[in-house]
Amino acid sequence: NAGVTQTPKFQVLKTGQSMTLQCAQDMNHNSMYWYRQDPGMGLRLIYYSASEGTTDKGEVPNGYNVSRLNKREFSLRLESAAPSQTSVYFCASAFAGELFFGEGSRLTVL
Amino acid sequence: KQEVTQIPAALSVPEGENLVLNCSFTDSAIYNLQWFRQDPGKGLTSLLLIQSSQREQTSGRLNASLDKSSGRSTLYIAASQPGDSATYLCAVPNDYKLSFGAGTTVTVRA
Repeated sequence: NAGVTQTPKFQVLKTGQSMTLQCAQDMNHNSMYWYRQDPGMGLRLIYYSASEGTTDKGEVPNGYNVSRLNKREFSLRLESAAPSQTSVYFCASAFAGELFFGEGSRLTVL
Repeated sequence: KQEVTQIPAALSVPEGENLVLNCSFTDSAIYNLQWFRQDPGKGLTSLLLIQSSQREQTSGRLNASLDKSSGRSTLYIAASQPGDSATYLCAVPNDYKLSFGAGTTVTVRA
């Protein structure tokens, strides 16, 4: 049982480049989330999707877009990466109020 | 606005000692509280989910209590082992998302 799978695990980008972080869950959960974790800032919600076909902004959505491709997959796109987006990104899915996290994607923007 | 505080920020104990980790939250109108463990460079692993109707939840050496009226939860880890060294985070629902504490980093010395 893979749970929540994120790719890639590591990525280095130059300022202005774009990329997509992929997330897939095999637990048939309706809700999915993207968080970023930064030292001293804790975990902050970027976007979430309460169900297939819906997405909503979280606390820090600027500079990001998301797609809920189907019930399993929820991707996060950086259109024009900035150094401030250097962070560890976590995808999560939820069922009955309990969150399950992926292993994270470590992104560095130079 | 829900704010979550975890004290202490760091804790170092000798192997075998019991651990007591504290979590406080400002809005007592929660329906559950979740404790997570995070190892360095890894994702968050769910330890315990305690519903608002419960006063405590147990899993092996872990026991979490919840006192909604005082806005507090405590995670007890009995007979600590070096493998318990990690950061422990608590999280409570806040509207459409979870609000996380900053975590308590635990070091268990052999």
